[in-house]
Amino acid sequence: GDSVTQTEGPVTLPERAALTLNCTYQSSYSTFLFWYVQYLNKEPELLLKSSENQETDSRGFQASPIKSDSSFHLEKPSVQLSDSAVYYCAKKGGKSTFGDGTTLTVKP
Amino acid sequence: EAGVAQSPRYKIIEKRQSVAFWCNPISGHATLYWYQQILGQGPKLLIQFQNNGVVDDSQLPKDRFSAERLKGVDSTLKIQPAKLEDSAVYLCASRYGGSSPLHFGNGTRLTVT
Repeated sequence: GDSVTQTEGPVTLPERAALTLNCTYQSSYSTFLFWYVQYLNKEPELLLKSSENQETDSRGFQASPIKSDSSFHLEKPSVQLSDSAVYYCAKKGGKSTFGDGTTLTVKP
Repeated sequence: EAGVAQSPRYKIIEKRQSVAFWCNPISGHATLYWYQQILGQGPKLLIQFQNNGVVDDSQLPKDRFSAERLKGVDSTLKIQPAKLEDSAVYLCASRYGGSSPLHFGNGTRLTVT
């Protein structure tokens, strides 16, 4: 069936460190992923949309498809304190279910 | 464009009381979702509507929760009677089509005492 899995547990990084989060998908056809971000006490919001055929970027984040292992990386070369949040990946369409996401904490 | 509107913003009730939440999606968005988000967890899908029809309500506790979207626009989620474990943020989201992202409202924070 179609599903996505976020493989990281909580992530803690110092300011200006590089970030990579991973989302693995299972799908029998063309796949788009949405990355959502949820800041403390706020609703989830769209960060960016990625497809298996191209890289996309938004707000300094970049989503890169890794076809060899059916995954997407969400990357940012230098994180800021304001990037502390929970990050979710979700497939387009379907049941629009979310996992528990990956909590990123950026420390000074 | 106006975003997804939800009300009330906060609600405090005692257990066994009833409560209702309202959502108005973005104009033209045929698909509407209700999620329950318990502190520290990801949003859990309760029900999905396509226009005024239910697509998925497999995780809706139907003995106490009900939802409707009678005219295919705004929607109401009701809990009757409420339990302590219903304390959560209830998020409404809408999307234009299957390839479109979800747009969330700012949620209703329910506290059941």
